[in-house]
Amino acid sequence: AQTVTQSQPEMSVQEAETVTLSCTYDTSESDYYLFWYKQPPSRQMILVIRQEAYKQQNATENRFSVNFQKAAKSFSLKISDSQLGDAAMYFCAYRANFGNEKLTFGTGTRLTIIP
Amino acid sequence: NAGVMQNPRHLVRRRGQEARLRCSPMKGHSHVYWYRQLPEEGLKFMVYLQKENIIDESGMPKERFSAEFPKEGPSILRIQQVVRGDSAAYFCASSPRSPNSGANVLTFGAGSRLTVL
Repeated sequence: AQTVTQSQPEMSVQEAETVTLSCTYDTSESDYYLFWYKQPPSRQMILVIRQEAYKQQNATENRFSVNFQKAAKSFSLKISDSQLGDAAMYFCAYRANFGNEKLTFGTGTRLTIIP
Repeated sequence: NAGVMQNPRHLVRRRGQEARLRCSPMKGHSHVYWYRQLPEEGLKFMVYLQKENIIDESGMPKERFSAEFPKEGPSILRIQQVVRGDSAAYFCASSPRSPNSGANVLTFGAGSRLTVL
């Protein structure tokens, strides 16, 4: 079974600085997707960024980028120029590229932005 | 496009009562997923449905929980004889296309928080 591990329950960063959130996963599949979701206090799950395993290039969305290391099964999220609105729980998630679109989530990292 | 709509946002039930949570997927989406989030935990998959069919219920507790997605109307997650351990946030997500469609991304609703007294 696939597992997703987020080893940092909490992180904090000074506003405008850069922070990296860690995620590792375990799978025997070679074709899959990885995601980072943001959950602010409103509880809405918001997709931040997505990576396709067969693409070597790391995904980037504005201030958000990932470091995808397929051999190491690592998928970290880097947030540059942190803003107060980035404060939230961040969840890493895995989905195989076959069968249904069921996601396996990590336990989350609570990110605090220090003004 | 109103997005994925879940109601109620908050539901309080006493032990032994029934809870019904509703989910209307995004317009054009015919695939619905239910997830449960216990306090301070990530989301855990419960069930995947298409119209009138349960496709994958591997994450659903065997007793007291059921889900449906009728031809007309919202998807319903039903919890009978609720216990305190059922207190959680229940999220619905929808998808537009069939599985194996690669780039599909689930769109989540805002969740329904169930509190069992």
